[in-house]
This record gives sequence, structure tokens and C-alpha cells, in this order.
Amino acid sequence: QQQVKQSPQSLIVQKGGISIINCAYENTAFDYFPWYQQFPGKGPALLIAIRPDVSEKKEGRFTISFNKSAKQFSLHIMDSQPGDSATYFCAASSGAGNMLTFGGGTRLMVKP
Amino acid sequence: EPEVTQTPSHQVTQMGQEVILRCVPISNHLYFYWYRQILGQKVEFLVSFYNNEISEKSEIFDDQFSVERPDGSNFTLKIRSTKLEDSAMYFCASRTSGGNNEQFFGPGTRLTVL
Repeated sequence: QQQVKQSPQSLIVQKGGISIINCAYENTAFDYFPWYQQFPGKGPALLIAIRPDVSEKKEGRFTISFNKSAKQFSLHIMDSQPGDSATYFCAASSGAGNMLTFGGGTRLMVKP
Repeated sequence: EPEVTQTPSHQVTQMGQEVILRCVPISNHLYFYWYRQILGQKVEFLVSFYNNEISEKSEIFDDQFSVERPDGSNFTLKIRSTKLEDSAMYFCASRTSGGNNEQFFGPGTRLTVL
């Protein structure tokens, strides 16, 4: 019930392409869905987040699409750059101050 | 820009020894968290702390673990008797008291248990 499933595990994209990472959840009490970016040896850094009252949120090249009925959300990285090469984690939480449940992570490599 | 800091960056210990991992959350934050990440795996929640008490903990956070906020700035995670399987990156995170659950993570402490 608490799981967040993330796919793919790894992704290779050419520079300038679109990177798409998908997540699915079961717990309908989840009401906050962030995406974190992690570089090797560093802590996760918040990239963008969405609440279920909107279906899409865009910040620069990063867009979250949210499908409440399907209990799925995805991260789109437009015009992917080699500097975007990192591990991306989706997460979910319910209520204020609550624990984040992370997906398994996607290792993205953007080839020049 | 304010950030969460953690010390040490790397801790090597012998099995059975006690370790204390230290964190300094962002100064106006009121919710504090510990997460761990075993090499190559996902980030897992350990414990959350608010108003000087544990508000939530996971199955991983057993009697060997404890947390403390000994003063107004530090937040510590103690592992009483370390096991080989405690080897992981330990991340501290903090957030404000607002409705947004935006958690800011520190750089982590790599714990190696030999």
C-alpha cells in the first residue's frame, strides 16, 4: 500500500531529447508528489513537486504530469542536457510533516 | 542559501560499536527526518521528529536507533550497537511548519560497519 513504483530503472537519452520517468502509487491518501535529483555522493535535491488538485506543473525544462484516476505521475525533462545525468527519485507523502516514500530511482544518462 | 549540514561525511566503525551521526537542520525548520540509502538502492525513511518527540518511525528504526535534539541546532541519530547491514548513506532532512512538505536533504554521512 505504501509502495511507489518507478520505471524505468535506467534511461539513456540523446542531448536535446525528452526524458520521461514514470511512477505509480497505491495509497490514495498520498497528497504530495515530489521529484528529487541526486548526483553521486550527494543528497537528494528537490526538483519539482505537485499536489493532486492539478494535472500538470511546469518549471523550466521540467514538467510533472499527474493522473489521479490512474494513480500515476511522471517527470518529463525537455531538451535534456548532459548535466541532467543523475539519478531521479519520485516520492509521495500524505499529510503535513509526513515521511516521504521514495520510488526505486531512475539512473538517467544524457549523451552529448 | 541555507542548507542542511551533516557530520562526519564518512564514518567507519567496528560491528557492535555505537555511532552518532550529526545534523544541523536549516535554522527556521521545525520538522526533522532521518533517511538511509543502502548503496544502489532507494532512499528509505527512518524517523521523523517534531516538537522534541518522534512523530513517526519505520520498521527499520528499532531499539538500536535513537534520535535527539540536544540543543537548539543539532539533530542526532545514534545507533547503539552497529551491525554490518547498517552500512549505508544516512541523510538528514528538515522542513518548515507550513502545509508544504518540501523536505531539504543534507549531503549525507556514509557509514561503513566492518
